[in-house]
Amino acid sequence: NAGVMQNPRHLVRRRGQEARLRCSPVKGHSHVYWYRQLPEEGLKFMVYLQKENIIDESGMPKERFSAEFPKEGPSILRIQQVVRGDSAAYFCASSPHHGATEAFFGQGTRLTVV
Amino acid sequence: QQQVKQSPQSLIVQKGGISIINCAYENTAFDYFPWYQQFPGKGPALLIAIRPDVSEKKEGRFTISFNKSAKQFSLHIMDSQPGDSATYFCAASRAGNQFYFGTGTSLTVIP
Repeated sequence: NAGVMQNPRHLVRRRGQEARLRCSPVKGHSHVYWYRQLPEEGLKFMVYLQKENIIDESGMPKERFSAEFPKEGPSILRIQQVVRGDSAAYFCASSPHHGATEAFFGQGTRLTVV
Repeated sequence: QQQVKQSPQSLIVQKGGISIINCAYENTAFDYFPWYQQFPGKGPALLIAIRPDVSEKKEGRFTISFNKSAKQFSLHIMDSQPGDSATYFCAASRAGNQFYFGTGTSLTVIP
């Protein structure tokens, strides 16, 4: 999992601001997953992306949340108008192709909304 | 709806003892069952994984037992060490799609 880079590691935002979380997958990996982890809970799936495509966004809240994985550059998870309930650890994982079973996780971004 | 149920929520084991964590799943289409280990402030790291065509897989001190008919699988940590103290998550996936995670087990191994 050392190959998946997430930044920033810690992010503090005031209510109503925007949060941008970045994920650079393992080199050569073209599939990215975003998960959210609340304290004392497991990881909840948010979105699954391939370069320039959203494969599955069934776990994404309908409003304020969006994700992209452009042809060049990192995957971005964007949260608009953050609220206190958005405070969580957000993890990105990558895999080399669709159908690959193993996914490698980054160290996460801990978002705190004050 | 929790697709993967994990127990216990927390576990305390003496050094040298066996740690056992259990998971149950609902969807028979799942075809990959990994266990992840997570230390505080870190991301989950793959520990060991199994596919449903195998009933047991062992890697060092870590063993997965899989019961397809009961839709259950478990992680056994033999000769548990203080360095094993972490949170363990079971998960399940189908055809390389999203993982469904259990709620985690906080393991403490006391010297």
